Amino acid sequence: DAGVIQSPRHEVTEMGQEVTLRCKPISGHDYLFWYRQTMMRGLELLIYFNNNVPIDDSGMPEDRFSAKMPNASFSTLKIQPSEPRDSAVYFCASSFGGGARTQYFGPGTRLLVL
Amino acid sequence: TQLLEQSPQFLSIQEGENLTVYCNSSSVFSSLQWYRQEPGEGPVLLVTVVTGGEVKKLKRLTFQFGDARKDSSLHITAAQPGDTGLYLCAGVVGSQGNLIFGKGTKLSVKP
Repeated sequence: DAGVIQSPRHEVTEMGQEVTLRCKPISGHDYLFWYRQTMMRGLELLIYFNNNVPIDDSGMPEDRFSAKMPNASFSTLKIQPSEPRDSAVYFCASSFGGGARTQYFGPGTRLLVL
Repeated sequence: TQLLEQSPQFLSIQEGENLTVYCNSSSVFSSLQWYRQEPGEGPVLLVTVVTGGEVKKLKRLTFQFGDARKDSSLHITAAQPGDTGLYLCAGVVGSQGNLIFGKGTKLSVKP
């Protein structure tokens, strides 16, 4: 099994540009989570989906952030326009079932906004 | 707002020493998970504890869930360089798997 796949692994962009992060969850998993990790705030849940439907987006910092899951094998997190404070590592995770089920994390996308 | 406080934030020890990492909250969690994260990778689940007072062992790692389900500890016996990494505790909130993470304990074990 390939595990959760994220792309790109690294992204450097200038303030004001649009950034799109991509995630392919593990096949058969019905939950998909987007997290952001920074030194200051640690690992924070941004949004999660169940069966491709967004369930809770209360962690999305502001309207500049949006996430979609058009099908069971693909999700995107978009930042438009990007700002330097968005610099962080963004992780995607998936699980089979909710609750305390094991979440499998991807390797992350390291984003730097100049 | 539910918060998880981890201590210590950093820990540097010699191979063979024992250590304990703490995870505390004022909130009650239905269950709690411990993850280990290596540089450049995502967190990997080590264990889930569900019952107050529960103790789980994973080789040299011992995990305990507090009786009131508000705190947890991770004890490592005879640490090895391979144990180096960021240890994160996460409280499970709600029925769908929302995780509230602590900021982590960065462990360095020197040979």
